Amino acid sequence: AQKITQTQPGMFVQEKEAVTLDCTYDTSDQSYGLFWYKQPSSGEMIFLIYQGSYDEQNATEGRYSLNFQKARKSANLVISASQLGDSAMYFCAMREATQGGSEKLVFGKGTKLTVNP
Amino acid sequence: NAGVTQTPKFQVLKTGQSMTLQCAQDMNHNSMYWYRQDPGMGLRLIYYSASEGTTDKGEVPNGYNVSRLNKREFSLRLESAAPSQTSVYFCASRIDRGISYEQYFGPGTRLTVT
Repeated sequence: AQKITQTQPGMFVQEKEAVTLDCTYDTSDQSYGLFWYKQPSSGEMIFLIYQGSYDEQNATEGRYSLNFQKARKSANLVISASQLGDSAMYFCAMREATQGGSEKLVFGKGTKLTVNP
Repeated sequence: NAGVTQTPKFQVLKTGQSMTLQCAQDMNHNSMYWYRQDPGMGLRLIYYSASEGTTDKGEVPNGYNVSRLNKREFSLRLESAAPSQTSVYFCASRIDRGISYEQYFGPGTRLTVT
């Protein structure tokens, strides 16, 4: 079973509008965290935002905010005032503890966002 | 401060050839990771290393070996490359102290096996 589900393979938004990228997750851990990464066409992975399971407030970083609904196991990314440079693949990921005392990331399949002028 | 570096950036192999992908980080991070990215699949964990001298399998380890040479370097080896290993490979690292859970990624290696 998928642990991270991104149901939107592609999304389109007009420049300057807001857009929400969906992410649902599956875990039985009490302590976990959700990330969003951006991958532009150049290929690098860029960290955007992080939400811990015990964080009481939704995370925000500039134009990015994370709509965290713990009971629904969703961690949607909201991008406000979209810019042409926001066109990219966006990945949701969840951190999991490993047996060795470290942790790893489990990624969703991504959503391709296109911002139209 | 270069962050996470990977070499080479691009590589073409014939089926059955071997090669080693190199990764190094200068951030004094404990944990290092190798992922592969295939179209429509997101990133999948191949191997990881929680500290110097330890390595563990991830989700898709078959056909790969790794070496954590020291705290800085974590290499990925393909002993006998197969077309199914055509992919983009990312190395990442993170520190295990404090509240910074972010993984820092290298620029990736695009590997084609013919």
